[in-house]
Amino acid sequence: GAGVSQSPSNKVTEKGKDVELRCDPISGHTALYWYRQRLGQGLEFLIYFQGNSAPDKSGLPSDRFSAERTGESVSTLTIQRTQQEDSAVYLCASSSRDRGGLYNSPLHFGNGTRLTVT
Amino acid sequence: RKEVEQDPGPFNVPEGATVAFNCTYSNSASQSFFWYRQDCRKEPKLLMSVYSSGNEDGRFTAQLNRASQYISLLIRDSKLSDSATYLCVVLEGRSQGNLIFGKGTKLSVKP
Repeated sequence: GAGVSQSPSNKVTEKGKDVELRCDPISGHTALYWYRQRLGQGLEFLIYFQGNSAPDKSGLPSDRFSAERTGESVSTLTIQRTQQEDSAVYLCASSSRDRGGLYNSPLHFGNGTRLTVT
Repeated sequence: RKEVEQDPGPFNVPEGATVAFNCTYSNSASQSFFWYRQDCRKEPKLLMSVYSSGNEDGRFTAQLNRASQYISLLIRDSKLSDSATYLCVVLEGRSQGNLIFGKGTKLSVKP
């Protein structure tokens, strides 16, 4: 498939454990975003990668959260010492940018990882 | 980050009704505007971009009012399948990182 792929689709973990979430963006998409969505709530921006530029980490809620992306490929979001309030759907999205550098491509979202911390 | 605000609803309308949603944004320098649709327990998907001159796609019409800093989405002849949450999205500046999502307006179309 040509869409954004996220794994795992569901993750149940015990409080205090570390989890790693994976996102495979659409091939050729230079921009990659992570969002969090709690039940019944809106999307909460976490982090944004654009090519080889320094990522915008301004949305990460605490130092327990980190994310990496190598070039324009796979990204991983790591949550250390998980807490119950981390329970949410974690959505990854990717998009491309035109030569003028203006945003003209819609975000393509993956199906998300549903994280439950018990 | 600046705010993007939407009426959360829910809007409960009968089939065939016309329904309109508004979204206000606080950053006058905002560059681009979009409506996304999110079905229950699904990921958001782009519904349409919003252009300065207004644009229409079938039963859907989007309008932008820069002076008053709001965008609107009009759905005519609503269908049961239109039931979803509609997210207003605003891009601030040229960096794609400055995408601000509203919390969404929930629409429920009843038979």
